[in-house]
Amino acid sequence: DSGVTQTPKHLITATGQRVTLRCSPRSGDLSVYWYQQSLDQGLQFLIQYYNGEERAKGNILERFSAQQFPDLHSELNLSSLELGDSALYFCASSVGSVPYEQYFGPGTRLTVT
Amino acid sequence: GQQLNQSPQSMFIQEGEDVSMNCTSSSIFNTWLWYKQDPGEGPVLLIALYKAGELTSNGRLTAQFGITRKDSFLNISASIPSDVGIYFCAGQLLREVSFNKFYFGSGTKLNVKP
Repeated sequence: DSGVTQTPKHLITATGQRVTLRCSPRSGDLSVYWYQQSLDQGLQFLIQYYNGEERAKGNILERFSAQQFPDLHSELNLSSLELGDSALYFCASSVGSVPYEQYFGPGTRLTVT
Repeated sequence: GQQLNQSPQSMFIQEGEDVSMNCTSSSIFNTWLWYKQDPGEGPVLLIALYKAGELTSNGRLTAQFGITRKDSFLNISASIPSDVGIYFCAGQLLREVSFNKFYFGSGTKLNVKP
């Protein structure tokens, strides 16, 4: 158990819909990272928040957005969902703002039908 | 685009054999990390490397940060069935340190036959 929690574990929704994924970092970690992993693919970095502020941006679509709240939990919002958005979405956290030692949550499996 | 080339894509080995996998890039990396992912789980950090030439062990695992800073390898000695999983290399490009971006390789799928 990495100490990072993600909810829900599974999500099934229809195209065009909007969903919110939630992540709670390890106690004491200030950074939260979001990644997308499509079937049999590596992880694609989406976005990082550090202590409530956006710190780094990867290949995140405009239909996706994220935020980090004062209690440091983070939410990833996915809207106008397409079939190709079906994937595992992982959240990771680290103590500082640099992504060296990230600890991953168990992931949310999103299926868009 | 893809910054990391990880090989091999998959391996089938006998229990007790040693395993080697590597990551290469045409660009210089600032850090190299190795993760293992079990099916349906999040990646677990195995080894972190921060200096060129650094050789670090974690039990039966050994990883090295290449001298050119463009590659890294991971060795697993005396493999056991629980080594099965997907191994990912990851790193941060030296030229992108200020952007805080992180790249993952496409993974090496390891199968161990008892």
